[in-house]
Amino acid sequence: DQQVKQNSPSLSVQEGRISILNCDYTNSMFDYFLWYKKYPAEGPTFLISISSIKDKNEDGRFTVFLNKSAKHLSLHIVPSQPGDSAVYFCAAISGGGGNKLTFGTGTQLKVEL
Amino acid sequence: DAGVIQSPRHEVTEMGQEVTLRCKPISGHDYLFWYRQTMMRGLELLIYFNNNVPIDDSGMPEDRFSAKMPNASFSTLKIQPSEPRDSAVYFCASGTGTHRNTIYFGEGSWLTVV
Repeated sequence: DQQVKQNSPSLSVQEGRISILNCDYTNSMFDYFLWYKKYPAEGPTFLISISSIKDKNEDGRFTVFLNKSAKHLSLHIVPSQPGDSAVYFCAAISGGGGNKLTFGTGTQLKVEL
Repeated sequence: DAGVIQSPRHEVTEMGQEVTLRCKPISGHDYLFWYRQTMMRGLELLIYFNNNVPIDDSGMPEDRFSAKMPNASFSTLKIQPSEPRDSAVYFCASGTGTHRNTIYFGEGSWLTVV
């Protein structure tokens, strides 16, 4: 039972354009959401997060949007750069679940020149 | 800080052999997690510890898998006997209870069981 879903296994975007990565979740107990970025042969690294009391969080080129009613969040990268090419994982934490992260299956982003 | 340290980075073993993966968390972190990454299932949580105590091992696939955390600076994940379907990348991560976005991952242990 996949509680966090990333339905697009891959995404290709041109340099300078916007990248939009999507994530859906099913567990209403999730109250904190994170995006991790992973390069080959490395561990995932934290990128940006959002609490369920907010609907938007911005950090430089990265913005995460949360739509609680739709149980959907998205990561926007503007402008996209070749160095952004990586696998992006959406993750969620439920209230009372400690810091236990539930991950999606990831989306491979390729930013082309 | 050196970050989360995992060993070995790569392991190739024959089916039926015992495999032990090791992890040193970041000093001061009170949570430790073991994840497994596969193409089909992405990153799935196997087990996590809080203050060296196992809290949730519901993700451990079967009795062939076991994990221990004898002290705050060391944890092991053991597979005995190993099977080809255990081939994956195993990640250890650590974090604190005070900040929910401070979970740091090691570089992973690439396991191949032939």
